[in-house]
Amino acid sequence: KAGVTQTPRYLIKTRGQQVTLSCSPISGHRSVSWYQQTPGQGLQFLFEYFSETQRNKGNFPGRFSGRQFSNSRSEMNVSTLELGDSALYLCASSGTGDQPQHFGDGTRLSIL
Amino acid sequence: QKEVEQNSGPLSVPEGAIASLNCTYSDRGSQSFFWYRQYSGKSPELIMFIYSNGDKEDGRFTAQLNKASQYVSLLIRDSQPSDSATYLCAVSFPGTASKLTFGTGTRLQVTL
Repeated sequence: KAGVTQTPRYLIKTRGQQVTLSCSPISGHRSVSWYQQTPGQGLQFLFEYFSETQRNKGNFPGRFSGRQFSNSRSEMNVSTLELGDSALYLCASSGTGDQPQHFGDGTRLSIL
Repeated sequence: QKEVEQNSGPLSVPEGAIASLNCTYSDRGSQSFFWYRQYSGKSPELIMFIYSNGDKEDGRFTAQLNKASQYVSLLIRDSQPSDSATYLCAVSFPGTASKLTFGTGTRLQVTL
């Protein structure tokens, strides 16, 4: 069974630009969550999508948004990039109920 | 604010010894508990999950949960150098199973 796939693996952008990250969950998983990991703040929850609807949201500004498609694939968008957005962005998928989340390899975003 | 606390380490144990990693959480409503292992430069990998008080064993790993004292621990028996990594404790709450709150992680070093 293929794991969670995130693309691209690495991304370099400049301040003010926007970026879109993609995540394909494990087959059969309908829940997709996004996290930001930085050395200073650790792993922080951004949002979760289930059946194309945002089900939970973390404490991030509106510049961070996401969506989910009917095949459960998800995208995350960050607009007006700031230096502080440099981080590892992780996507995780899970099945129904309390099934644990499995993470993809992440997208490392660097803002110049 | 829901918090998850871990000692950052490093926790150094000799090869073959038992490594004991601890995690405390602030919210008594916490429902599900997870341990992830993260190698440097890699994404978190699920090691164990536990939902009920008591012990849960899987190979060399044992997760222990004590809801009354609000702590969860991970024991690694017969520690190997390949176990050297950062171990992240994560907690979720009823109705938000896919929204994990992470501790900052404990760095484990297994020495020869």
